[in-house]
This record gives sequence, C-alpha cells and structure tokens, in this order.
Amino acid sequence: AQRVTQPEKLLSVFKGAPVELKCNYSYSGSPELFWYVQYSRQRLQLLLRHISRESIKGFTADLNKGETSFHLKKPFAQEEDSAMYYCALSLLSGGYNKLIFGAGTRLAVHP
Amino acid sequence: NAGVTQTPKFRILKIGQSMTLQCTQDMNHNYMYWYRQDPGMGLKLIYYSVGAGITDKGEVPNGYNVSRSTTEDFPLRLELAAPSQTSVYFCASSYLAGSTDTQYFGPGTRLTVL
Repeated sequence: AQRVTQPEKLLSVFKGAPVELKCNYSYSGSPELFWYVQYSRQRLQLLLRHISRESIKGFTADLNKGETSFHLKKPFAQEEDSAMYYCALSLLSGGYNKLIFGAGTRLAVHP
Repeated sequence: NAGVTQTPKFRILKIGQSMTLQCTQDMNHNYMYWYRQDPGMGLKLIYYSVGAGITDKGEVPNGYNVSRSTTEDFPLRLELAAPSQTSVYFCASSYLAGSTDTQYFGPGTRLTVL
C-alpha cells in the first residue's frame, strides 16, 4: 500500500543551524513527491515538488529511490521557517490527482 | 483572486445534528477535493470531484455527502454528526489531474462534535 512516513513530530533547532526534515515513502511505481507547508494562521501551500528540482526559500529536497526518501533540507534555518511541514506522494488514480500525506513535522526555529 | 474559501471557520455540533461545510474557488479549477485532518495525522481524502456534476468517494467517505452543481462550489454535507467526525476539514482545488499539478487549499473548518 502507498504510504508516507514522517518519523519526527517535532524538530527543534536554533537559528542558523542546518535542518533536515525526514520523509520516507512506500510506493511500487515511479513516485511524484511534494513538500507542503503551513505557517501559523495560514493555509496549507505547496513548498516544492521533486520534479522541478528547485530551491524554494533555501529549501531543497532530493528524491532517493534506493532509500525511498525525500528529505527536506536547508543549510541555515531562519525563525520564519517555523511551520508544519507535510510530505506528500502524488498518484494519478481514477482520473484525479490523489495526494497521500504524511502526518507532518513541526519545525520550531529558536532565536 | 480569493483562491479557495471555506465557511464556517469553526463549528460545534451536537451528536445527530447535520450541517454543510461550504467551499468555493474562483480559479476556474475543474478538480476539487475534501480532506479531513485528525490530530497528529496526515490529511485523508473524503470526496473529490473532476468537474460539475461528477463526484466520487475518496478514502474516508462514510458519513459524508457532496454535490457539485457548479464549477466554483463543492459543499460537504454531514448527516447525523458523530464524535468521530471531530476534525479539521480542508477543501482544495487543482486545475489539472496530473500528478505534478499543485493543489490549492482553503483555510480549513474546525469541527467539534459533542
């Protein structure tokens, strides 16, 4: 069965420290993976998608098919990065874009 | 553009009551979705729609109904509310069905059933 696992509920770091939010997935096909973010009092929004190979707000994520992982990384955390982060696996199923979400990791960046 | 809007933001229901959660999008998106998020869990798909007049069940449809009479609106109906339906409900929309397409989310409705 398809599944997304985010093993950490909370990740607490100091400003300027490196950040790695872990995401592992279970899927037999070719995965399409995303990171969504929810800042305080804001709606869930797309942060980045693996197919774009982009860096958004200093965050990058590399798909590792061997380890079935899509960890989100940033070399120097900022206080404004504090938010809930959700990893999501996208499947085309029955004609719609099915997103399977992990449980989320709360990132807290302290001054 | 307002994007995806949801009303109400909060609601408390008694067991057995019914209500409709409203969702509207102004992006002319064909695809719309309803998710629920229980504490400490990821979002789970309740229902989705690929266009006006077409809806289908997601992973957790029991206890809910939907309709899609227009492109813009996708209301979610709870009949006979139960404590197990206490959750945060998110509506989302996307332009395409492609797996790389972005889903745009509403702000959520926090529902408590007592």
